[in-house]
Amino acid sequence: GDSVTQMEGPVTLSEEAFLTINCTYTATGYPSLFWYVQYPGEGLQLLLKATKADDKGSNKGFEATYRKETTSFHLEKGSVQVSDSAVYFCALRLTSGNTGKLIFGQGTTLQVKP
Amino acid sequence: EAGVAQSPRYKIIEKRQSVAFWCNPISGHATLYWYQQILGQGPKLLIQFQNNGVVDDSQLPKDRFSAERLKGVDSTLKIQPAKLEDSAVYLCASSLERKTGELFFGEGSRLTVL
Repeated sequence: GDSVTQMEGPVTLSEEAFLTINCTYTATGYPSLFWYVQYPGEGLQLLLKATKADDKGSNKGFEATYRKETTSFHLEKGSVQVSDSAVYFCALRLTSGNTGKLIFGQGTTLQVKP
Repeated sequence: EAGVAQSPRYKIIEKRQSVAFWCNPISGHATLYWYQQILGQGPKLLIQFQNNGVVDDSQLPKDRFSAERLKGVDSTLKIQPAKLEDSAVYLCASSLERKTGELFFGEGSRLTVL
């Protein structure tokens, strides 16, 4: 079935380090892909998205490129800050069918130390 | 703009008791979702409403879970009777329309079943 797999966490980095959080997916058809972030004590919020192959989503210094050939959507940031500490969720939405529901990965916790 | 409101934030009950969660979506959002997030896992869709009609409830354990969205605005999710494995955070989300993938989440209601 359709699914999303993320790298295991927690990921612990020092401030200004380079971040990569891996995400791969299995889906029929051509899904849209998303990264959501959950800061401590807050609800999930959309970070970035890509709707077709080779699209790059970006926001707040984060980027992710939709790679159809490797079925991946890895999240990257060149220089992390303490304020980036959060749980990051990769998700897909199937473009066929009527529901448009999101299927989430298990989440990856990022801890950034000063 | 007010966000998605949920209550209660925390609830502790004994197994076989009942519990209800309430959600008020962002004004004007036609689509409302209830997700279940078990510790260490990503959110899993329980039920999706379009206005006051059910679009997808394929993963809702209908022998114990029920949900309604009267008048296409507020929604209530009920569990009766609760089991230990229902311990989770129940997330409500809304979106302008169902195919966007851009969901706005509330802070969640954390349920502990003893």
